[in-house]
Amino acid sequence: EAGVTQFPSHSVIEKGQTVTLRCDPISGHDNLYWYRRVMGKEIKFLLHFVKESKQDESGMPNNRFLAERTGGTYSTLKVQPAELEDSGVYFCASSHSTVTPSYEQYFGPGTRLTVT
Amino acid sequence: AQSVTQPDIHITVSEGASLELRCNYSYGATPYLFWYVQSPGQGLQLLLKYFSGDTLVQGIKGFEAEFKRSQSSFNLRKPSVHWSDAAEYFCAAHNNAGNMLTFGGGTRLMVKP
Repeated sequence: EAGVTQFPSHSVIEKGQTVTLRCDPISGHDNLYWYRRVMGKEIKFLLHFVKESKQDESGMPNNRFLAERTGGTYSTLKVQPAELEDSGVYFCASSHSTVTPSYEQYFGPGTRLTVT
Repeated sequence: AQSVTQPDIHITVSEGASLELRCNYSYGATPYLFWYVQSPGQGLQLLLKYFSGDTLVQGIKGFEAEFKRSQSSFNLRKPSVHWSDAAEYFCAAHNNAGNMLTFGGGTRLMVKP
């Protein structure tokens, strides 16, 4: 069984540009999460999808960030326009159950975003 | 506010020595607790988890963790460290009302030959 995959593994963009990160969850996992680790800080929750619906987006830092999950499969996280403070590692995770709280989240390798 | 604290940012141990990584949590009720490990170039891998019951939990790669309610701690241990254990370790928690994980800041483990 394939794990959570993320693309690209590393992205370097200039301030003001747009970047789109992609996450493919484990097949059959309805829950999909985005987290971010800014340099020197802890990993922080961004948002949670259940299938194609946003369940919780309380961690999204501002309206420059847009997450989508078309058809309840893969998800994209777009940053537009990117700012220097957006640099960090963006993790995606998925988990199985939609009926009860999902305790085990499986993480991807992350996308390292560098904004110059 | 809910929080998870890992007091040690870096730890260096000799190969074969025992290891203990500290984790403290601050939650209104006992949360569900996890330890993850991230090796270079890899994603976060779940080492072990605690939901309820036996307070000493066994995980993969020879790791164990002990939940101590009185100390609000969930420390990770390994009796004999291998060079391949060098990685960054994250303690995390969530309550049963939500799905988001709250992470500690991570502890980077270095292993001396």
